[in-house]
Amino acid sequence: DAGVIQSPRHEVTEMGQEVTLRCKPISGHNSLFWYRQTMMRGLELLIYFNNNVPIDDSGMPEDRFSAKMPNASFSTLKIQPSEPRDSAVYFCASSRGNTIYFGEGSWLTVV
Amino acid sequence: GEDVEQSLFLSVREGDSSVINCTYTDSSSTYLYWYKQEPGAGLQLLTYIFSNMDMKQDQRLTVLLNKKDKHLSLRIADTQTGDSAIYFCAETLRGSSNTGKLIFGQGTTLQVKP
Repeated sequence: DAGVIQSPRHEVTEMGQEVTLRCKPISGHNSLFWYRQTMMRGLELLIYFNNNVPIDDSGMPEDRFSAKMPNASFSTLKIQPSEPRDSAVYFCASSRGNTIYFGEGSWLTVV
Repeated sequence: GEDVEQSLFLSVREGDSSVINCTYTDSSSTYLYWYKQEPGAGLQLLTYIFSNMDMKQDQRLTVLLNKKDKHLSLRIADTQTGDSAIYFCAETLRGSSNTGKLIFGQGTTLQVKP
């Protein structure tokens, strides 16, 4: 089992640029989550999908953030335009039932 | 409201037991979890307990749940330097157990001294 796979692992970008983070959930898992981790706010749920359908996006900070899940094996989180305050670690997680597994995270720095 | 609280730091000597504590406010929690995060890494699921259980043991890990006090603890026996990490407590809420939406505590940094 390859686990949840995220890319890129690290990204440094300039303010105003578009950032796309990618996630491949564990095969057979029907729920997918995007979390953000910062020193100030800890772990925050941004959005989650169930069977590829967005269920709750109330954690998405603002319109600059968007997420898609075109199929059961792929999801993206896009930030456009990026700002320095978006610098954080973005985790993707997937689950089937009550066990939730996290990827290694995408470490984003916006300068 | 939903809130999960943890102490921020714990320091122990190698070979001692560590006890990391967590309190939560929502009595409708269904599952409670412990995750471990090493520097620069993701969150590793250590163990979880269903809300109708009092205790769960898995090798060196023991989870105790006191539903009356809404208190969860993780005991690590014979703590090793490799156990140094941040430990997160998390809960899922009734109605969310099928989707796994988690509410996390702020994490407890465990420092293990040789």
